[in-house]
Amino acid sequence: EVQLVQSGAEVKKPGESLKISCKGSGYSFSSYWIAWVRQMPGKGLEWMGIIYPGDSDTRYSPSFQGQVTISADKSISTAYLQWSSLKASDTAMYYCARFLGYTSRWLDYWGQGTLVTVSS
Amino acid sequence: DIVMTQSPDSLAVSLGERATINCKSSQSVLYSSNNKNYLAWYQQKPGQPPKLLIYWASTRESGVPDRFSGSGSGTDFTLTISSLQAEDVAVYYCQHYYGSITSFGQGTKLEIK
Repeated sequence: EVQLVQSGAEVKKPGESLKISCKGSGYSFSSYWIAWVRQMPGKGLEWMGIIYPGDSDTRYSPSFQGQVTISADKSISTAYLQWSSLKASDTAMYYCARFLGYTSRWLDYWGQGTLVTVSS
Repeated sequence: DIVMTQSPDSLAVSLGERATINCKSSQSVLYSSNNKNYLAWYQQKPGQPPKLLIYWASTRESGVPDRFSGSGSGTDFTLTISSLQAEDVAVYYCQHYYGSITSFGQGTKLEIK
């Protein structure tokens, strides 16, 4: 069974750093891209960026370039999303999801989401 | 960048009736070399991650009930639920994956009338 299991909810202060994770199982983790998607409270879905764990090829949406860092460790089938200095506006639910090919970027399996709350 | 605009923002439909959600892209997402529309649809129920329903604009994901169908080409697309069930209450999103940038529509909230 394909699963993407994300790390638990986080409560942080502005300026703090954070790294959340997404662990894949039930499929060849290195052979599928992982996407990160943001959903701010009561809002829609925003595509943040993607990584191919097989070679760590990473692409960012222009809105998120320089704001976050996406990485992966294929040896433990885990992808990461990290911030060096959180802002209150980073408060959101963050989802990881997988897709097979760069030209077929529909997301067929999703993680359960990680809620990040940034508040002083 | 391609902007995806859904309509309506919300709608209420009676059980057993047809529900139609529209998605318009600011430029064509039809790739002429393979005649495929780079468009997907998702369903998100409260407190859950989104679920893939449709890709290539009209291909139903495995396990998705056949009351869900996708149509359209170029810039105009439609998600149709042929006979609304109570479990279909959700927010629905379209997503394009044409080119290097991917984006979603703003979502359409579907409720029972």
